Amino acid sequence: GAVVSQHPSWVICKSGTSVKIECRSLDFQATTMFWYRQFPKQSLMLMATSNEGSKATYEQGVEKDKFLINHASLTLSTLTVTSAHPEDSSFYICSAPRDIQETQYFGPGTRLLVL
Amino acid sequence: QKEVEQNSGPLSVPEGAIASLNCTYSDRGSQSFFWYRQYSGKSPELIMFIYSNGDKEDGRFTAQLNKASQYVSLLIRDSQPSDSATYLCAVRASGTYKYIFGTGTRLKVLA
Repeated sequence: GAVVSQHPSWVICKSGTSVKIECRSLDFQATTMFWYRQFPKQSLMLMATSNEGSKATYEQGVEKDKFLINHASLTLSTLTVTSAHPEDSSFYICSAPRDIQETQYFGPGTRLLVL
Repeated sequence: QKEVEQNSGPLSVPEGAIASLNCTYSDRGSQSFFWYRQYSGKSPELIMFIYSNGDKEDGRFTAQLNKASQYVSLLIRDSQPSDSATYLCAVRASGTYKYIFGTGTRLKVLA
């Protein structure tokens, strides 16, 4: 069964609004979670590493003020896309490492469409 | 720049055949290697991981790792139309928990 959940699975919003996406680890604790973005027909691009109780680490070229990450508990990380614009429309996926080998398991993803 | 390279495909194989997917990586220090399957519009699903040189089998899937040559492969035996998807190779970067993904190989299994 699923080990990582995401909510919502779909969101459509107007340009300029903010959207929050939740990522939860099910039945296990995750001190680290990862946020990816995937544009059509492209591979996964790591946006940031979410760290429980501390600041997220962003990849080069990702605006930390635009993509706010909060990892407030050992089972929940949130990604907020602030002042979303049409170019932010994408498939956002989180993952969490599980088991002693730190294998990453992915959430089902959130498809964002900004009009 | 650490890279993972895959042939984008599509790789077309007839039903029942063996599909062979390949991946090369640049980071010699990498120790962990993963294959994910991604259906269109869905998130990646873990198929296999491999850490040691040689072969690892799980049902119809066999992962092969050759660290000296820096390549990882995935063999799918008795391919089924339901195996049609994009297969992503991922390498855990040395010294971190981050994964580096290849661009994926699109597999088509023809009925």
